[in-house]
Amino acid sequence: AQSVTQPDARVTVSEGASLQLRCKYSSSGTPYLFWYVQYPRQGLQLLLKYYSGDPVVQGVNGFEAEFSKSNSSFHLRKASVHWSDSAVYFCVLSGFMLSGSFNKLTFGAGTRLAVCP
Amino acid sequence: EAAVTQSPRSKVAVTGGKVTLSCHQTNNHDYMYWYRQDTGHGLRLIHYSYVADSTEKGDIPDGYKASRPSQENFSLILELASLSQTAVYFCASSDATDREMGENTLYFGAGTRLSVL
Repeated sequence: AQSVTQPDARVTVSEGASLQLRCKYSSSGTPYLFWYVQYPRQGLQLLLKYYSGDPVVQGVNGFEAEFSKSNSSFHLRKASVHWSDSAVYFCVLSGFMLSGSFNKLTFGAGTRLAVCP
Repeated sequence: EAAVTQSPRSKVAVTGGKVTLSCHQTNNHDYMYWYRQDTGHGLRLIHYSYVADSTEKGDIPDGYKASRPSQENFSLILELASLSQTAVYFCASSDATDREMGENTLYFGAGTRLSVL
């Protein structure tokens, strides 16, 4: 079974500060990992994704994430946040079911980011 | 223009009534999905479809039916709505080739907020 844990339900930071949102995953196979963002009253949008190669992947709007196999983590970072980054961020794991027939997505519970002026 | 469009954006239904949520995509994607989002939880898969006139059960299909009359359209049907089905529902689509390669990037609609009273 695969799982995703986002330990922080809510994070508050000041505008201009750096940000790290944590994600821990459990997967029996090689994982695809994603970060999605949900702005108020909108659907989820892809920020970035990782499968292999450089463990640091770049996404949109200055976001990046670092994959760590040893720590089973895929933390999201941004050097300087803006008020418009206020949203809910989901860490998502992609993997195959035991039958190998379906590429199952497992969502974390999400972290609500509030950026204060 | 939005590539995945959901209707209605919000709905109030009575317990025991029938509810139909609609989704239309212009991505030319084979795969379409219905997810449910509850406060404090990640998205959970209700039904999905990889071809017209065929649907598959996801992780929480009980109490829901799905219909895929064409590649572009995918509906979620609650025959007898219950209080426990109050949630936000998201439709999404993905490309078959991406999915089979494991990437499975999803493109989401803006969601339907359903309140069952």
